[in-house]
Amino acid sequence: NAGVTQTPKFQVLKTGQSMTLQCAQDMNHEYMSWYRQDPGMGLRLIHYSVGAGITDQGEVPNGYNVSRSTTEDFPLRLLLAAPSQTSVYFCASSYTRGGSPLHFGNGTRLTVT
Amino acid sequence: ILNVEQSPQSLHVQEGDSTNFTCSFPSSNFYALHWYRWETAKSPEALFVMTLNGDEKKKGRISATLNTKEGYSYLYIKGSQPEDSATYLCAFQNNDYKLSFGAGTTVTVRA
Repeated sequence: NAGVTQTPKFQVLKTGQSMTLQCAQDMNHEYMSWYRQDPGMGLRLIHYSVGAGITDQGEVPNGYNVSRSTTEDFPLRLLLAAPSQTSVYFCASSYTRGGSPLHFGNGTRLTVT
Repeated sequence: ILNVEQSPQSLHVQEGDSTNFTCSFPSSNFYALHWYRWETAKSPEALFVMTLNGDEKKKGRISATLNTKEGYSYLYIKGSQPEDSATYLCAFQNNDYKLSFGAGTTVTVRA
């Protein structure tokens, strides 16, 4: 099992460009989520999904889109990148909707210039 | 925004000493309380997930308690070792399954 796979590991974008961060898990996990990590602010929830076809907003959803067309994949789309979106992004999944530990991907370091 | 607070922000402990720190969270709409250990240059790893008031969990020298009525959880490290140096994150999960993290407590164990 690969666990939670995030790609790319590093990305540099120019303001206004768009891109998709990929996240895939092979553990048949029901719950998937995206977080961003900024210095001094911990992990902040962007979007989450409790199953295929279901997504919901977290604490900082503006500027990001997600979809969950399959159980395995949960891509995060940046529509018009802004310097404020410079951050480290983590995808995480858990076996059930609630009460199960999260398994994290290795992170994506994104810089928007 | 769910208010999950951890204190202190950082602490130093001498090798062999014990320590503890706090996570406070909303006392309503509670589903679960998570603890994670985050080492530098790695991804967070789960320590405990607790769902019941009064629950206590233990893994080796690390243990945690939970009080959902007053909205707090303690993490204890007994006999700290240098490999315990890390940032410890708690996360509150509500009845909508939204999981929000505190900013963490960074523990440095001095040899």
